[in-house]
Amino acid sequence: KAGVTQTPRYLIKTRGQQVTLSCSPISGHRSVSWYQQTPGQGLQFLFEYFSETQRNKGNFPGRFSGRQFSNSRSEMNVSTLELGDSALYLCASSPHSGGSTDTQYFGPGTRLTVL
Amino acid sequence: GNSVTQMEGPVTLSEEAFLTINCTYTATGYPSLFWYVQYPGEGLQLLLKATKADDKGSNKGFEATYRKETTSFHLEKGSVQVSDSAVYFCALSASAGGTSYGKLTFGQGTILTVHP
Repeated sequence: KAGVTQTPRYLIKTRGQQVTLSCSPISGHRSVSWYQQTPGQGLQFLFEYFSETQRNKGNFPGRFSGRQFSNSRSEMNVSTLELGDSALYLCASSPHSGGSTDTQYFGPGTRLTVL
Repeated sequence: GNSVTQMEGPVTLSEEAFLTINCTYTATGYPSLFWYVQYPGEGLQLLLKATKADDKGSNKGFEATYRKETTSFHLEKGSVQVSDSAVYFCALSASAGGTSYGKLTFGQGTILTVHP
């Protein structure tokens, strides 16, 4: 099976712009989670989607949003970019319902740089 | 809230040395525990996991035992190789439901460098 894919791999934007990142989960996986990774804050949970519904959300401002499509592919959007949004954004999928025992399989990430 | 604390890094070892990376956690209920590894320029790969107390996860020579009495999940390997150089993350997934769905809580990561 193909792994989790994320596009694009690298992105450079300027402050005030918006950006959309895409994630394709492993075939058959229905739960998709997003994380932000920065040197200062480490890995932080953004949100999780299952069957097109956001079930959980981390402590991020409303500028961060996401959605999931019927084929389980997911997108996240960041509006009005700030310098502090520069980070590696990781997507992960899991095979079941996103429960506590499920393993999450990560994609390679999208490196976002905000200038 | 839930949290994970890893030993301070970085850790530098010679090839064939013994490795321990400490991990302790705070969580309500019965979390599952994970070790992930991240190689430069890549995403995270699952190394091993344990879903209940006294479970031992193992993979590629790495082991960790879920100790509920000490709330710990220390990672060990008897003989490290240069190829083990990477960043290691301890993580927990809290008991299912509500604000736990699809959420991993990570430690800060430990950089491991192994010299020949």
